[in-house]
Amino acid sequence: AQSVSQHNHHVILSEAASLELGCNYSYGGTVNLFWYVQYPGQHLQLLLKYFSGDPLVKGIKGFEAEFIKSKFSFNLRKPSVQWSDTAEYFCAVTMYNNNDMRFGAGTRLTVKP
Amino acid sequence: DAGVIQSPRHEVTEMGQEVTLRCKPISGHNSLFWYRQTMMRGLELLIYFNNNVPIDDSGMPEDRFSAKMPNASFSTLKIQPSEPRDSAVYFCASSAGRIQETQYFGPGTRLLVL
Repeated sequence: AQSVSQHNHHVILSEAASLELGCNYSYGGTVNLFWYVQYPGQHLQLLLKYFSGDPLVKGIKGFEAEFIKSKFSFNLRKPSVQWSDTAEYFCAVTMYNNNDMRFGAGTRLTVKP
Repeated sequence: DAGVIQSPRHEVTEMGQEVTLRCKPISGHNSLFWYRQTMMRGLELLIYFNNNVPIDDSGMPEDRFSAKMPNASFSTLKIQPSEPRDSAVYFCASSAGRIQETQYFGPGTRLLVL
């Protein structure tokens, strides 16, 4: 079955640590990839997205993600996290010419000050 | 821009009652999505409208769930009759294109069915 996997359920880091959250998907065709973030008490909002072109995508707040097609992965990274990055992060995938959008289970990030 | 507006924000009801959730998408957006979020199943797409027409409702769990979009600025998700397992947070989102475009989410409706 088509799926999106986020391997880390809860990550706890200290401020200034580097972050990498994993995302893998199982679709074989052309995909559009997204990372959404939900800060405590706020709406889900887009962090970054990949449609085509440069596989290294820059998003808001210093986040970036790299699409590695051969590994079916779209991992999220940030070189130095801040306390304000505490949130839940969701990877999502849509297939080209398909009416489905699949979200991963989410990764809760806690950044300790 | 006011963003996507959902009402009510919280709903507590008893099993068997009808529940209606409401959504106002961002003006000018032509796609609207209803999602359900639970601890067990995460975030699931229930139904997707484009230009007020349901494009895909394969995620609607069963016949007790129905969704309508009578015009470009309003949609409802109805559960009749409600059951305790319907307890979840229901999100509405809209986008300026099809499902592959950036979606803007509302604050969600937290539903508790007793």
